[in-house]
Amino acid sequence: LAKTTQPISMDSYEGQEVNITCSHNNIATNDYITWYQQFPSQGPRFIIQGYKTKVTNEVASLFIPADRKSSTLSLPRVSLSDTAVYYCLVGDPSYNTDKLIFGTGTRLQVFP
Amino acid sequence: KAGVTQTPRYLIKTRGQQVTLSCSPISGHRSVSWYQQTPGQGLQFLFEYFSETQRNKGNFPGRFSGRQFSNSRSEMNVSTLELGDSALYLCASSLVEGTGVATDTQYFGPGTRLTVL
Repeated sequence: LAKTTQPISMDSYEGQEVNITCSHNNIATNDYITWYQQFPSQGPRFIIQGYKTKVTNEVASLFIPADRKSSTLSLPRVSLSDTAVYYCLVGDPSYNTDKLIFGTGTRLQVFP
Repeated sequence: KAGVTQTPRYLIKTRGQQVTLSCSPISGHRSVSWYQQTPGQGLQFLFEYFSETQRNKGNFPGRFSGRQFSNSRSEMNVSTLELGDSALYLCASSLVEGTGVATDTQYFGPGTRLTVL
């Protein structure tokens, strides 16, 4: 599974847009990019998943350039409740390799 | 639809004891994975079960074992507990349609906080 690199921490203020970039230079053809959010003492929560270009759902957008060697999670208008650790994972979600390797994640702190 | 449930939520044991943790996946999900999370090592994959068979295994000693029942519920066992086993143990389930589609996302439970004294 491809290794990922993310910033260890980021700070933001309420109402701002936050972009967290993840580097995955060794991404394989069958790999998808998935982002999870984790609050203290809780399990990670799935945010968004994509393969290429742009994916958007009700909570976030995921931008993936053509070479797929990086991806950017975009959180529009963050609030205090978005303070959490965000993990970027890259892997083949096919059922033969159904396991995830979490990196250190990015600790996002949102200030009022 | 109910989420992934784990019991117990908190557990205190002493060194040398053994412990069994339980996980009930989302209804219809056939894959269950277990993870250990500690401040120092982060989230680490333990093993994954699908249709009562262990499909994948992480790099943990044999003291860590698991099993899955016919209803997809899973248990994880740790024998001869060590202080370093204190962690949040997370269970995740996924649908796994078997077609390799990207929607086989994992859904995590709240975890079991194990403290070894």
